[in-house]
This record gives sequence, structure tokens and C-alpha cells, in this order.
Amino acid sequence: EDKVVQSPLSLVVHEGDTVTLNCSYEVTNFRSLLWYKQEKKAPTFLFMLTSSGIEKKSGRLSSILDKKELFSILNITATQTGDSAIYLCAGLMDSNYQLIWGAGTKLIIKP
Amino acid sequence: DARVTQTPRHKVTEMGQEVTMRCQPILGHNTVFWYRQTMMQGLELLAYFRNRAPLDDSGMPKDRFSAEMPDATLATLKIQPSEPRDSAVYFCASAQRPRGDTQYFGPGTRLTVL
Repeated sequence: EDKVVQSPLSLVVHEGDTVTLNCSYEVTNFRSLLWYKQEKKAPTFLFMLTSSGIEKKSGRLSSILDKKELFSILNITATQTGDSAIYLCAGLMDSNYQLIWGAGTKLIIKP
Repeated sequence: DARVTQTPRHKVTEMGQEVTMRCQPILGHNTVFWYRQTMMQGLELLAYFRNRAPLDDSGMPKDRFSAEMPDATLATLKIQPSEPRDSAVYFCASAQRPRGDTQYFGPGTRLTVL
């Protein structure tokens, strides 16, 4: 059965801390892994990772994929209260382009 | 700028009533997804279309839910009759396959069935 598991399910840190969010996957005909950020509304796209070992970076956020061990991490450095959100990862199946979603990590940044 | 739009944004209705949600995908996107999100279940895929043809609706309760794409600029999700357990946020997302893997989400319809 295809599945994506995220950990931790929730995390509370102080502003300025660095956090690492984990995503492991078992997805048939895996094509790519996507990270989304969801605040109060709809998920917004962060990264898409297709190749192993190549870090994608956007400001204080970065992510990397390990296709041998079947996981990805999302790092956020120097966290700010605006980073508080649910972070979702999803594996994309090559056969039908369906996304298999993880349950999300709820991140709370305290001032 | 291009975005997915959904209407209505909020809907409160009574059990047994029909509910219709609408989605306008990003112009040029050929794949449309309907998701339901609840606190308990997270994001669940209900159905998706490519080039207006339904590809998979196995996530949808068939007896009361139906999804259609009458044209390339409109997707609809209908619930008839609605039940309290249908209360959730319903998201539409669109993508351009096979060129793009990213799905772009609409703002969602928050449905409350009393």
C-alpha cells in the first residue's frame, strides 16, 4: 500500500531555532516528492524534489531527497512566527500522477 | 496572476440538502483534482480529471457524491443528499500534465452540514 509518513506530527520551538521535518515514503512508481505549506487556507507549494542528494533552497527553507532510503527532510533555519503552519509532503506516482499525502507536521513557532 | 478559484468559499446547509461546489482551474491546466480535508483524515483525494475525462473517483462515496467537468474551465462537485459527516473543507487543485508535477490549490470551500 502506498503511504507517506511525516514526523513529528507536531513541533513547538522558539523563534530563531532551526527545525527539521521528516517525510518517509513508499510510493509505487515514484516520480517526485513535493512539500507544501498550509497556513489557515489552502496548501501552497514549496519544493519539488526529483533527484537524490540535490538540495533545493528558498530563503531560510531547504529540502533534500534520498531515493535510496526513501525519505526527504525539510529544514527551516532562524525560524520566525510566520513559519507557523502545517507542512505537508506528498509523493507523486509516475503512473497516474496522483499525490499520496502525508498527515502533515504542525509547526508552532513561539516568540 | 493565474490561480485556481472556488465558489462558494463557505456553505452552511441542513442535512438532506443538495450542495454544489464549483472550481475554475488555472487556464491551460488539463488536470483537476478534488480533495476533502478534515482534522481527522487530513487530505483525501476524492476524484480527478484529465482533459475533462474522469480518471479516478474511487475516493468518493458514489451514492451521494458526483463530480463533473462540463467544460475545460469548470469543475463541479455535488453532494446529494448532504450529511453532517460531509462537513469539511473541499479543495480543488489543478496541474498541467505531463509537463508539471506541481498541483496548485484553490482557496477551498468550507462546508458545514447541520
